[in-house]
Amino acid sequence: DTGVSQNPRHKITKRGQNVTFRCDPISEHNRLYWYRQTLGQGPEFLTYFQNEAQLEKSRLLSDRFSAERPKGSFSTLEIQRTEQGDSAMYLCASARGDRGFYEQFFGPGTRLTVL
Amino acid sequence: GQQLNQSPQSMFIQEGEDVSMNCTSSSIFNTWLWYKQEPGEGPVLLIALYKAGELTSNGRLTAQFGITRKDSFLNISASIPSDVGIYFCAEGSSNTGKLIFGQGTTLQVKP
Repeated sequence: DTGVSQNPRHKITKRGQNVTFRCDPISEHNRLYWYRQTLGQGPEFLTYFQNEAQLEKSRLLSDRFSAERPKGSFSTLEIQRTEQGDSAMYLCASARGDRGFYEQFFGPGTRLTVL
Repeated sequence: GQQLNQSPQSMFIQEGEDVSMNCTSSSIFNTWLWYKQEPGEGPVLLIALYKAGELTSNGRLTAQFGITRKDSFLNISASIPSDVGIYFCAEGSSNTGKLIFGQGTTLQVKP
């Protein structure tokens, strides 16, 4: 039984660099969500995909952020020109496309530190 | 926008005690979910509630969807050390499934 996996688990980068994270969802799930979590807070929604289509983006997702899910399987989240305020845990979750899309399975997250 | 308020913010209890935490909203919700997060991991779904008044159990955990549709509570009976973690309530958007989370309740259990 393979759950949601995310890579890398940790990323340390310097301000201004670009970073890319990968999420591999549960194979039969066609919905994929990205969230961001800062210390002491609950996760905040960033964007989601149904299959390969990106259907909603939060206002938190500035133009430096881009997400893709090219074949409706894995997804990548790229942050360009990172800023210290981007430091957070980036969580990916997947879900079935029917009513089960509320019941999301989260990966372990990628912790980003921007120096 | 929607806002979820969880209380208490943190709890420190003795092993074997029962625990109760709740979540309130200024808006009416269609779905309540309860997640648990342990350090360095993603949240894990505990219970999902879909109807006002619904009471659902998962082992020692029990959660209820308030009849006003603006609140929910989670109870843990006979706590054990592995119950330690942060418990989040969340609301699911009816159209997209995106989740809106509360600030969390941190639970510590003393053996």
